[in-house]
Amino acid sequence: DAGITQSPRHKVTETGTPVTLRCHQTENHRYMYWYRQDPGHGLRLIHYSYGVKDTDKGEVSDGYSVSRSKTEDFLLTLESATSSQTSVYFCAISERQGGSLTGNSPLHFGNGTRLTVT
Amino acid sequence: TQLLEQSPQFLSIQEGENLTVYCNSSSVFSSLQWYRQEPGEGPVLLVTVVTGGEVKKLKRLTFQFGDARKDSSLHITAAQPGDTGLYLCAGAGSAGGTSYGKLTFGQGTILTVHP
Repeated sequence: DAGITQSPRHKVTETGTPVTLRCHQTENHRYMYWYRQDPGHGLRLIHYSYGVKDTDKGEVSDGYSVSRSKTEDFLLTLESATSSQTSVYFCAISERQGGSLTGNSPLHFGNGTRLTVT
Repeated sequence: TQLLEQSPQFLSIQEGENLTVYCNSSSVFSSLQWYRQEPGEGPVLLVTVVTGGEVKKLKRLTFQFGDARKDSSLHITAAQPGDTGLYLCAGAGSAGGTSYGKLTFGQGTILTVHP
């Protein structure tokens, strides 16, 4: 299994508080992603990183920020948590972009953080 | 924004039956991946299809990429209780662009196979 650790695994927080989720990898992969998973929506991309200090927004980035100061760590921050951000958050890593013959390299996922905002 | 419509959302069948899960889009994808996810864990890659019309087999699972690279299907023959889980299709951006490895996921299919 790819070395990806998400912390915490579970968190309950109150509306309006800041929350930071951590993703740590031991694979030295260049690309890292944060997704959220909600029933009926599959996985939706929040933010991604293509190198240290290189990050960009995904399709559901409002209310979230990220930082990547080291290759191995990718932090997701909910600046002021809302109930709509109650979800399961997954970090994923990828070694490379795909070529025309092989397609994208697979995403390797952590085991998720279940966040409840009350 | 590229969208992937996956169907059905829920599938409950008896052991030994066959089933097909569909993944459709109006957009062209450079490749498509299928993942399987079990409760409390992250998705795990099953297969990647790259070429239009490509068919890949993984034991009792058959994956097909549409000729136009807009759709894909997963067919399971003689399903077993161990096949139970959430199946997700995911498309990579169209060829020629810089996608940074991002994937667009379908909504998922929850499969339950009863003994």
